[in-house]
Amino acid sequence: GNSVTQMEGPVTLSEEAFLTINCTYTATGYPSLFWYVQYPGEGLQLLLKATKADDKGSNKGFEATYRKETTSFHLEKGSVQVSDSAVYFCALLNSGYSTLTFGKGTMLLVSP
Amino acid sequence: DAGVTQSPTHLIKTRGQQVTLRCSPKSGHDTVSWYQQALGQGPQFIFQYYEEEERQRGNFPDRFSGHQFPNYSSELNVNALWLGDSALYLCASSSGSGARSYNEQFFGPGTRLTVL
Repeated sequence: GNSVTQMEGPVTLSEEAFLTINCTYTATGYPSLFWYVQYPGEGLQLLLKATKADDKGSNKGFEATYRKETTSFHLEKGSVQVSDSAVYFCALLNSGYSTLTFGKGTMLLVSP
Repeated sequence: DAGVTQSPTHLIKTRGQQVTLRCSPKSGHDTVSWYQQALGQGPQFIFQYYEEEERQRGNFPDRFSGHQFPNYSSELNVNALWLGDSALYLCASSSGSGARSYNEQFFGPGTRLTVL
């Protein structure tokens, strides 16, 4: 079956540091890929997505590129802020009716 | 627009009991999906409802059942609760035409279920 593997957290950074959160997937074909963010006490919010190989998704300074050769979709941000502290989930779209397979999540803690 | 709402926010039950969780989708959405998020894990797909029928189901036992009402709201029922059912239960709504295409899912804040 489909699966998503993320780097374990927490990732602890100082404000304005560079962020990378690794994500690799196993799936049949080339599924659409997503990053979701979960702030404390809230539901999941879609951060960015990419629907085909070599696509780059971007939003709020975050970027991720769909790499089919390495089956990866790493999340990056050039300069993190304290407000970016949250849990980040990588996910893929299963074939069928818009259901998602998620990774375990990576907690990001940004200190001033 | 209130977005996706869920009730209750928190719930405590004991083993063997039954529980019902509720979800109201975002305005204009007709498809509801339920996910279970155990502590420290990513959400796992339970099932999806469209046109008042279960359209797809994940790897969950029959103790997990659901319902969708004509107004598109949905309930998740869990019978014979185990300690392992303790989790955050997330509801997501989307606009589903029935076609095999992606329509963004909007998530609610979840219901935190604790089984003692």
